[in-house]
Amino acid sequence: QKEVEQDPGPLSVPEGAIVSLNCTYSNSAFQYFMWYRQYSRKGPELLMYTYSSGNKEDGRFTAQVDKSSKYISLFIRDSQPSDSATYLCAMSEGNDMRFGAGTRLTVKP
Amino acid sequence: ETGVTQSPTHLIKTRGQQVTLRCSSQSGHNTVSWYQQALGQGPQFIFQYYREEENGRGNFPPRFSGLQFPNYSSELNVNALELDDSALYLCASSPGGVGQETQYFGPGTRLLVL
Repeated sequence: QKEVEQDPGPLSVPEGAIVSLNCTYSNSAFQYFMWYRQYSRKGPELLMYTYSSGNKEDGRFTAQVDKSSKYISLFIRDSQPSDSATYLCAMSEGNDMRFGAGTRLTVKP
Repeated sequence: ETGVTQSPTHLIKTRGQQVTLRCSSQSGHNTVSWYQQALGQGPQFIFQYYREEENGRGNFPPRFSGLQFPNYSSELNVNALELDDSALYLCASSPGGVGQETQYFGPGTRLLVL
């Protein structure tokens, strides 16, 4: 079992849809939970991070962390074609950082 | 765009050769981490440098080595290249004194080993 599991997709949705992306993990020591967006042939771009359990909202993006279930989510409201990218979850404890494999999302106009 | 730059953008080497990749950190950041991202996978942590000292290492062999300079720029060196070393190599910088949750990635160097 991988330390961080993320459904690779691909996920295809129509413009305006609500997108739900998820990761599960096994190491209960992780304290910080991040979501990155990576466009083709580019480096990952930090979208948001959350410390411990709870929700965090930033514009159209909402991150949720449930440490008791070892489950994190990213919701994208009113999805746009420009949101088409690979979304990576990541989590860390100290300088030990682990990434999921990424979910490829396509938002169709 | 982040302030992290990497060079070169692409590189082709043959098995057994050595390669040096370079990274310039975002202004004000004194911590740099290097990652290897194979096709279709998430980045894997290679090592981190903080104020010119190695500050943690992932599960990579010693032929992966690094340096950080007084201006906080950094190098990743890989000796005795293997075919499996073909990947996107990413560096990420972050402000000192905090964890990796605020790190910002460069565009990467795509290495192909033939």
